[in-house]
Amino acid sequence: NAGVMQNPRHLVRRRGQEARLRCSPMKGHSHVYWYRQLPEEGLKFMVYLQKENIIDESGMPKERFSAEFPKEGPSILRIQQVVRGDSAAYFCASSPISRAGVIGNQPQHFGDGTRLSIL
Amino acid sequence: TQLLEQSPQFLSIQEGENLTVYCNSSSVFSSLQWYRQEPGEGPVLLVTVVTGGEVKKLKRLTFQFGDARKDSSLHITAAQPGDTGLYLCAGPSSNTGKLIFGQGTTLQVKP
Repeated sequence: NAGVMQNPRHLVRRRGQEARLRCSPMKGHSHVYWYRQLPEEGLKFMVYLQKENIIDESGMPKERFSAEFPKEGPSILRIQQVVRGDSAAYFCASSPISRAGVIGNQPQHFGDGTRLSIL
Repeated sequence: TQLLEQSPQFLSIQEGENLTVYCNSSSVFSSLQWYRQEPGEGPVLLVTVVTGGEVKKLKRLTFQFGDARKDSSLHITAAQPGDTGLYLCAGPSSNTGKLIFGQGTTLQVKP
C-alpha cells in the first residue's frame, strides 16, 4: 500500500496521559499536513510540516500540542496531558513538492486517520 | 480570512434522483478540491478544479468551478446508494497551501 499510513487507527487515553499519533506520507511526498475532525464536520487545519521544519502551525493550540517531521521516520503529532475535548479524529495528508512559485497546487492525499478517545 | 460555505448540510434522497451541492466563498481560490469521505475512513480526492469556468465529469458526477473562482458545485445524476457519504469541498490557503474545508454535506441515498 503506497498510500498515507497512520497509526494507531484507534487510541484510547485517560485524562492527563500523552497521545502520540504517527503518519508516514506517501512515497516521494515531502509535505505533511495534520487536520482534526469532529463528528459530521469538515476538517480543521492544525499544522504543516516539511522535513525537519514546521512551516505553519497556526491551527495548532499553543499548549500541550506539538508536531515534528524528522529527517528519518514518520511525522508525529503529540498531545500532552490530554483532556476530554481532545477527542476527535486526527488526519494526516501528504503532498509532493509544489511547482515553483505556485502555492497549494498539488492535491493532498489523506490517511484513514486516528480516532482518539479520552476517558 | 478565507472561508468555504457548503450547502445543504444534509441531504436525503431516493435512488435515481439528481442533486447539487454548493460550495461558496467571498474569497478567490487558486483551485478547489472535492473529497468524499465514508465513516471510519479518510477523505478521498474526487477532483481538483483549477480554471475559472472549468467543468469536469467523473461518471455521474459533474464538478464546476465558478468563473470568478469563488465557488464550485457538485452535481450528481441518478444518485445510487453507493453515493452515500460526506462530501467536502476544500481550497488551498493563499499563503501556505493548507486546505480550508467547508463543513461538509452529508448525503444519504435510499434504495
